[in-house]
Amino acid sequence: DTGVSQDPRHKITKRGQNVTFRCDPISEHNRLYWYRQTLGQGPEFLTYFQNEAQLEKSRLLSDRFSAERPKGSFSTLEIQRTEQGDSAMYLCASSLEDRGRANYGYTFGSGTRLTVV
Amino acid sequence: AQKITQTQPGMFVQEKEAVTLDCTYDTSDPSYGLFWYKQPSSGEMIFLIYQGSYDQQNATEGRYSLNFQKARKSANLVISASQLGDSAMYFCAMREPFSSNTGKLIFGQGTTLQVKP
Repeated sequence: DTGVSQDPRHKITKRGQNVTFRCDPISEHNRLYWYRQTLGQGPEFLTYFQNEAQLEKSRLLSDRFSAERPKGSFSTLEIQRTEQGDSAMYLCASSLEDRGRANYGYTFGSGTRLTVV
Repeated sequence: AQKITQTQPGMFVQEKEAVTLDCTYDTSDPSYGLFWYKQPSSGEMIFLIYQGSYDQQNATEGRYSLNFQKARKSANLVISASQLGDSAMYFCAMREPFSSNTGKLIFGQGTTLQVKP
């Protein structure tokens, strides 16, 4: 396994267009997280999945955002009607969560950098 | 609510010298985990070191050590013998309390470290 993969690495889109990002986690990891990072800031939590179930969504995730993780494998994050404020790095991370054991093994992807013009 | 504060936006260090990056945190839960990540310009978040709130000893990983002062709620990263490749953005993060079981990370604003030859 080569780690967490994200595609594309860079995306430039015009305001109002829809975009979709993909994240391929480490295959045995049951948890998948999406974060957004604006320039010069730390990542902020957007949403996460346990297997195929989306268990929490941040208030940062407006109704223009939707995320899926079909069959508990890869995940997609779609932004509809993009706005300039959506310009950011979108990071994906995966982990193996085992109840009863403290988990600190998060693996991050290299991110997708979105620019809305 | 949990919060991470990094008060040093930028730091310089001479090659081969040691440097300390500051991190303070706020939580009311007795069970938590603290992380340090390195983010080079490529964007990937690279795990450096972890400290659990109940760990008796300060964590160490090669040239990285964590100066954990629980009563002061600080978790400073110490990098010994700095190398040019250490130049990057560094983030302190805290995992949400284990009791919540979300596993999401809360990040600080980051510190940019530049190593001078």
